[in-house]
Amino acid sequence: SQKIEQNSEALNIQEGKTATLTCNYTNYSPAYLQWYRQDPGRGPVFLLLIRENEKEKRKERLKVTFDTTLKQSLFHITASQPADSATYLCALYNQGGKLIFGQGTELSVKP
Amino acid sequence: DTGVSQDPRHKITKRGQNVTFRCDPISEHNRLYWYRQTLGQGPEFLTYFQNEAQLEKSRLLSDRFSAERPKGSFSTLEIQRTEQGDSAMYLCASSLAEGETFFGQGTRLTVV
Repeated sequence: SQKIEQNSEALNIQEGKTATLTCNYTNYSPAYLQWYRQDPGRGPVFLLLIRENEKEKRKERLKVTFDTTLKQSLFHITASQPADSATYLCALYNQGGKLIFGQGTELSVKP
Repeated sequence: DTGVSQDPRHKITKRGQNVTFRCDPISEHNRLYWYRQTLGQGPEFLTYFQNEAQLEKSRLLSDRFSAERPKGSFSTLEIQRTEQGDSAMYLCASSLAEGETFFGQGTRLTVV
């Protein structure tokens, strides 16, 4: 069956450290993958898009990798801050033309 | 254009009533999506449009749900004969084909 799995447990890290979130998928052939941030009671906010032919993409303190052999994407936040605390969602754009989401990982950055 | 707009932000309705939500996408975007999200879960795909054509509807969506996108601009999602299990956040998103997808703030539905 098709699955998208993110770290199910909340990730707690200290301010200034690098947070690494994982997104694994099975039985998909995504054309690209997107990462979102979501705060409680609000819609997801787009962060980064990475295509299947790209290995890595960066934006300010954010870095995303995409390994189609491992069927995995890693999302890194460097020099994390308490304001980065939120739920982070990965979503695959499958060949069928829609975004399919993982369940999200809650990140908590402690001062 | 300031982004994807949804209305209302919150809706409380009695079981058995019909509700309708509206979504205004980013103006140049030809794709429009509807998702449903419950607490602790990721958004669940409901349906999507390419311009005015509804291209796919989730098998999870009962016949009580219907969506339209007349003229390929705004979209409406109607839920008939609401049930308590319909309580969720309903999210709308838009994109150019195969591009960055942007979400609205959602409509929180509570069925009592």
